[in-house]
Amino acid sequence: LAKTTQPISMDSYEGQEVNITCSHNNIATNDYITWYQQFPSQGPRFIIQGYKTKVTNEVASLFIPADRKSSTLSLPRVSLSDTAVYYCLVAPSGYALNFGKGTSLLVTP
Amino acid sequence: DVKVTQSSRYLVKRTGEKVFLECVQDMDHENMFWYRQDPGLGLRLIYFSYDVKMKEKGDIPEGYSVSREKKERFSLILESASTNQTSMYLCASTLGTGVGEQYFGPGTRLTVT
Repeated sequence: LAKTTQPISMDSYEGQEVNITCSHNNIATNDYITWYQQFPSQGPRFIIQGYKTKVTNEVASLFIPADRKSSTLSLPRVSLSDTAVYYCLVAPSGYALNFGKGTSLLVTP
Repeated sequence: DVKVTQSSRYLVKRTGEKVFLECVQDMDHENMFWYRQDPGLGLRLIYFSYDVKMKEKGDIPEGYSVSREKKERFSLILESASTNQTSMYLCASTLGTGVGEQYFGPGTRLTVT
């Protein structure tokens, strides 16, 4: 499985756009990039997934450059309820996932 | 609505006891997973299953076993609980084809005393 590196923590104010970058230099051709969100005392929740270029849904956008060695999760206009841990995962189709430690995002007023 | 349920939210057991953690999904998913989560260590994969009666070891299988007799149910077994198995245990499931998203249960916080 490709190893991922993401910041341990980030801080933001309400209303700002937050970008969390994940590095995955040894990503394989058949790997997908997936992001999850986890609130305290809950299981992780799927946010978004992509293979290349840009993917957008009602929650976030995922930017993947052509070389796919990194990806950026973009959360538009965060609110206090976006305070959570965000995990970047890279794995081939149907494979078990290595969640790692994630990025702890703190949003303050 | 997608649902993964776990038998208990909180569990307290004594050292040496045999512990069963049950996970049930109602989505007809083929793949099921057991993770544990500890502060500073993130989520670590214990075991997973791609089909009934099939199991594969994850990153930290020592001290654990699993059972999948029916498609919807995946059980994690601690044969002889130890204090270092005190943790939050999370079950997840996903469809067999494609990458798909993993759906997680609410977790079981197990304390072994």
